[in-house]
Amino acid sequence: DVKVTQSSRYLVKRTGEKVFLECVQDMDHENMFWYRQDPGLGLRLIYFSYDVKMKEKGDIPEGYSVSREKKERFSLILESASTNQTSMYLCATRQGNNSPLHFGNGTRLTVT
Amino acid sequence: QKEVEQNSGPLSVPEGAIASLNCTYSDRGSQSFFWYRQYSGKSPELIMFIYSNGDKEDGRFTAQLNKASQYVSLLIRDSQPSDSATYLCAVNIYSGGSNYKLTFGKGTLLTVNP
Repeated sequence: DVKVTQSSRYLVKRTGEKVFLECVQDMDHENMFWYRQDPGLGLRLIYFSYDVKMKEKGDIPEGYSVSREKKERFSLILESASTNQTSMYLCATRQGNNSPLHFGNGTRLTVT
Repeated sequence: QKEVEQNSGPLSVPEGAIASLNCTYSDRGSQSFFWYRQYSGKSPELIMFIYSNGDKEDGRFTAQLNKASQYVSLLIRDSQPSDSATYLCAVNIYSGGSNYKLTFGKGTLLTVNP
């Protein structure tokens, strides 16, 4: 079974803080994704990576950056957290372009 | 046009009925399609994937794909209260180079009434 681990289930941060969300997978998958999910807006893609040190912007990259220094780890960074970044963040991985995504348990981030 | 569209629902069906969930997509080049189920407060979990035109059955679930009409659907036969969840349609959309991103619809909330 694929295991996708997100470092925190719940996180509370203050406006302006730098926030790191970590995701680790144990299946040697090439592709890793970060989504956020908000009521009424569904799952929206922030960034994805198809290889180490490679990254691609998704549909809503503004205010975020990512890092993939090792194949198994994909980090989402909020450079200066804002209240409109309060959301559920979901990390996902897949082996190739036509493979299904496997999701982590999610991190519910609240920015106050 | 949004890349992946679903009726938001809610869709309410009686126990034992067939639930029909629909999804349309805009990218004619899309090759792979997925249905996920998401319970409240949980992560999405894969139900089925389909790559070819026609029907694909797995237990009580049938996925149907019509690439000409850019339409994919999910049928749930003999619906159970435990099927009550949000169902997400996901489509592989070309993003440049040799890469594809998986884009989700907003989901359809299904309620199965005992």
